[in-house]
Amino acid sequence: DAGITQSPRYKITETGRQVTLMCHQTWSHSYMFWYRQDLGHGLRLIYYSAAADITDKGEVPDGYVVSRSKTENFPLTLESATRSQTSVYFCASRDTGGGSPLHFGNGTRLTVT
Amino acid sequence: DAKTTQPNSMESNEEEPVHLPCNHSTISGTDYIHWYRQLPSQGPEYVIHGLTSNVNNRMASLAIAEDRKSSTLILHRATLRDAAVYYCILLNNAGNMLTFGGGTRLMVKP
Repeated sequence: DAGITQSPRYKITETGRQVTLMCHQTWSHSYMFWYRQDLGHGLRLIYYSAAADITDKGEVPDGYVVSRSKTENFPLTLESATRSQTSVYFCASRDTGGGSPLHFGNGTRLTVT
Repeated sequence: DAKTTQPNSMESNEEEPVHLPCNHSTISGTDYIHWYRQLPSQGPEYVIHGLTSNVNNRMASLAIAEDRKSSTLILHRATLRDAAVYYCILLNNAGNMLTFGGGTRLMVKP
């Protein structure tokens, strides 16, 4: 099915562990984004990518690593998870052009114990 | 990035029209005005976008000021399912660092 999918939907991990959140889109969109949303708050941009092998920091990149070896995939890795990274993570993609809308995944709810 | 400002919250009665304002005084000529909404426990979803002219779709209407420094999302008849946080953001061809403000939390009363 065409769309943008995130996995897993839910993840519980322990402090200090590495965890990777996956994001896959089937449209071949150039731009991809990772946001986090803490309970009761707005979306904050972690990292974004304009194309394969091009990534850049957003508002809150510390503690996160991204890669984009293929256009359709944009994994987000927490190298050593901390409790402050407990959040809901949303991946999004869009095509080039100002009129192209953002498409969001359903989110990954991450709990760090 | 050009920023947007929106009221924190608004209230509406069911089946009445709702006008959600957004100010974007530093908008550039290539910025498109986009609106998204986020229902409880869901990811944001696209609502509507425009460049200069007013736009209509099945979900809503978008009214853009002549100087493009503000816009209004219009829900013609609010339903309980329209209760959500509505975000107004500006997108351009560069589409790079897309940040969201706090949005407007719309509450719909039966």
